[in-house]
Amino acid sequence: GESVGLHLPTLSVQEGDNSIINCAYSNSASDYFIWYKQESGKGPQFIIDIRSNMDKRQGQRVTVLLNKTVKHLSLQIAATQPGDSAVYFCAETEGAQKLVFGQGTRLTINP
Amino acid sequence: DAGITQSPRYKITETGRQVTLMCHQTWSHSYMFWYRQDLGHGLRLIYYSAAADITDKGEVPDGYVVSRSKTENFPLTLESATRSQTSVYFCASSESNLNQQPQHFGDGTRLSIL
Repeated sequence: GESVGLHLPTLSVQEGDNSIINCAYSNSASDYFIWYKQESGKGPQFIIDIRSNMDKRQGQRVTVLLNKTVKHLSLQIAATQPGDSAVYFCAETEGAQKLVFGQGTRLTINP
Repeated sequence: DAGITQSPRYKITETGRQVTLMCHQTWSHSYMFWYRQDLGHGLRLIYYSAAADITDKGEVPDGYVVSRSKTENFPLTLESATRSQTSVYFCASSESNLNQQPQHFGDGTRLSIL
């Protein structure tokens, strides 16, 4: 079936640096994408979303880029802080509400 | 604003027992979802509901039962628990399917079947 995956299972960056988390998706008909952050013992927390009619969307310290040509999604976090340490998931859906989640990338911020 | 709450947070039970996980949301969201999260599988959809009295199967529905008599509640029942159902269970909700809205998650129930 269709699936969403991540290129890197773990990522370590220095505090203050920018981080980029990547995600590949296989369903070319997907039209809505979401990034979630999950801290230990908590549920996934919505970070930012993007629809397929856009290729970039910015939030507070976060930017999502969508490249539909190569079916690639990325999450950029600027000026990382210790509180950014978590597992990040991308998710995609085609029209309906049934999200397909990737396996997750663990981001570690080093002091 | 409580948002979405799950109970209990932790549960230990034995194989063959019935167990119900509760989910309550205060946003009046139309859609509610149940996922399980396991190492190596990520989040997998068990059941979802588009509105009260409307439910549908997700990716891994076997062994689970849901109901949605009220918009704000979406309980998940394991009728005869098995060890393979040991997992962390997350409930989520979202607004109408129109304009595609993100799902918002509770903090999960960690369930252990002995």
